Formats: sequence, structure tokens, C-alpha cells
Amino acid sequence: AQKITQTQPGMFVQEKEAVTLDCTYDTSDPSYGLFWYKQPSSGEMIFLIYQGSYDQQNATEGRYSLNFQKARKSANLVISASQLGDSAMYFCAMREGWKGGGNKLTFGTGTQLKVEL
Amino acid sequence: DAGVIQSPRHEVTEMGQEVTLRCKPISGHNSLFWYRQTMMRGLELLIYFNNNVPIDDSGMPEDRFSAKMPNASFSTLKIQPSEPRDSAVYFCASSLGTSGLSTGELFFGEGSRLTVL
Repeated sequence: AQKITQTQPGMFVQEKEAVTLDCTYDTSDPSYGLFWYKQPSSGEMIFLIYQGSYDQQNATEGRYSLNFQKARKSANLVISASQLGDSAMYFCAMREGWKGGGNKLTFGTGTQLKVEL
Repeated sequence: DAGVIQSPRHEVTEMGQEVTLRCKPISGHNSLFWYRQTMMRGLELLIYFNNNVPIDDSGMPEDRFSAKMPNASFSTLKIQPSEPRDSAVYFCASSLGTSGLSTGELFFGEGSRLTVL
């Protein structure tokens, strides 16, 4: 079973509008972390936002917010007031509990976002 | 502060040749990760180290791949012999782990784009 599922291969949004990128996850570990990364066409991986499984409030970072619904195992990324520079691939990732001292991230397949004028 | 440094940025080689990719993690980070990114398979974790010790190498495709971390500031990923199907972008990433206030986010290098002809 996929640990991280991103069901939207591609999304379009108009400039200045808000967009939600979906992410669902699967884990039996009570302690985990969820991350979103952005990969523009230049290829680098840019960390956007983090949500811990025990965090009571949804994470926010500027125009990015994470809609964390623990019972549904979803961690959707919301980008408000989209800008042309937001056009990129977006990856959701999960870190499961501390096993053997590591903290590897498992990534979803990504969503390609295109912001249009 | 310097980020994760990878070299070479681009490598074109012929099938059968040995390829060595290099990574310098962020100073003070205790975890190092090698990921491979392809269109078909997305971002795959190959191996990760914690305090220079390999923790999980289950993602290493086969015996042609090997990785070392002789000290806290250097790691290599070697492919010998290389094959066309190894063509991909190889990312190195480092993190502080989840001790203290760290979320365990991964800081990625710019990647090494490998083409095997």
C-alpha cells in the first residue's frame, strides 16, 4: 500500500486564487510528521511546511497552510493568493516514528501546479 | 551558511563505466540521505545514514550501487558498472533529526543529473 497518496497529477489555478493540493497518508505509527516540498522547474527541493501528528493546530507559513485532518489521514496543502512563481511540482512526504535512530521521509508522486494569468 | 553540496551537477557516461557522486552535508547535521528521482518511479530513498552509520539500505537497487560515509562531512554514492536505466537525478539530503526543536526536515542538495548512454 502506498504510504503517501497524491491523487492530482496536475492542477491549474488562476493567479490570486487559492488552491488546495491533496495528500493522504497511511501509517499505524502514532508519532509521525508530514511535510510539503516544492520543486520548481530548476529542480531544487524547497521545504514549505511541516505538521506533527500531535500538533493541535494546523501549520501555517505565510501563504501556505496545511489542512490536517487526522481522522481522515489527510494533510492537504492550501496555497492562498497564488502567484506565477508558485508554478511547480509539489510533493507531500511523511516521516514515521523513530525507528533505529533515523528519520527518513517517504514521498508521494507529486502534483504539478500551473498558475495562470 | 552553505547548504548541502553535491558534485558533479551533471554527469554523462557510457554504460559499464564507474560513476561516483559526492555529497557534503550541512555542518552539524547527523542524518544523511541519498534519493533518486525518475519520471517513472518518483523520489525513491536509496540509503540513509545516522551519525555516519548506514541505517537503511533497502532502497539500494542492486549490488552495483554502494554508498559510504567515512566521516560526518562527506558521503559518496558509487555505481559500478553503470547502466542506462540508472539515468536519473540523484539527490543528497541532510537533517538534524528530530531531537530538540528540529522537525526533522530534510535539506536537499541541488542534485546530480546522471545520464548513462
